[in-house]
Amino acid sequence: QVQLVQSGAEVKKPGSSVKVSCKASGGTLRTYGVSWVRQAPGQGLEWMGGIVPLFGPVKYAQSFQGRLTITTDESTSTAYMELSSLRSDDTAVYYCARALGAWFNYWGQGTLVTVSS
Amino acid sequence: EIVMTQSPATLSVSPGERVTLSCRASQSVRSNLAWYQQKPDQAPRILIYGASNRATGIPARFSGSGSGTEFTLTISSLQSEDFAVYYCQQYDNWPPITFGPGTKVEI
Repeated sequence: QVQLVQSGAEVKKPGSSVKVSCKASGGTLRTYGVSWVRQAPGQGLEWMGGIVPLFGPVKYAQSFQGRLTITTDESTSTAYMELSSLRSDDTAVYYCARALGAWFNYWGQGTLVTVSS
Repeated sequence: EIVMTQSPATLSVSPGERVTLSCRASQSVRSNLAWYQQKPDQAPRILIYGASNRATGIPARFSGSGSGTEFTLTISSLQSEDFAVYYCQQYDNWPPITFGPGTKVEI
């Protein structure tokens, strides 16, 4: 059974960076692809970026270009999402999701990132 | 960017009723459309992919249809555990992958 386990909640100051991890059991992340999706309080789902399956490139949503970095460490089956220049409207639950093609069949439990001074 | 819209925003129904949710794409996404269910404080769960294929373990009361720009998720007989928010997602032309704003199914 595939499980994605994310790192714990974070509280960050505006202007700082956050790095969230997503450890997978069962299958390599880059074989299937992994994306990061966030959800602001009471809002819908927003795709941030992801790795194309079968060891493809990383693709980012335009709105996060320049301040989002998605990486993987295949030796530990862990994906990372680092978001810089944090603002208060980056407060959200951040999910990693494993892709089959480009739809998501497994999700992490979510990581709450709170940006507050 | 392909914009996804969903209607209605909220649907008030009773258990046992048949429910139809709509999703529209701003341009054709062929059959590259998925549906997710999300309950409060939980991650989304895949229901349907490829517009009409039920994901593993999804009950037969959930069905998807449509292609191009118009899609439908139908719940044939709503159960108490089906009260949730439902999102559609296109993956035909990305980046970006885009989600609809969601439909809340409530009692």
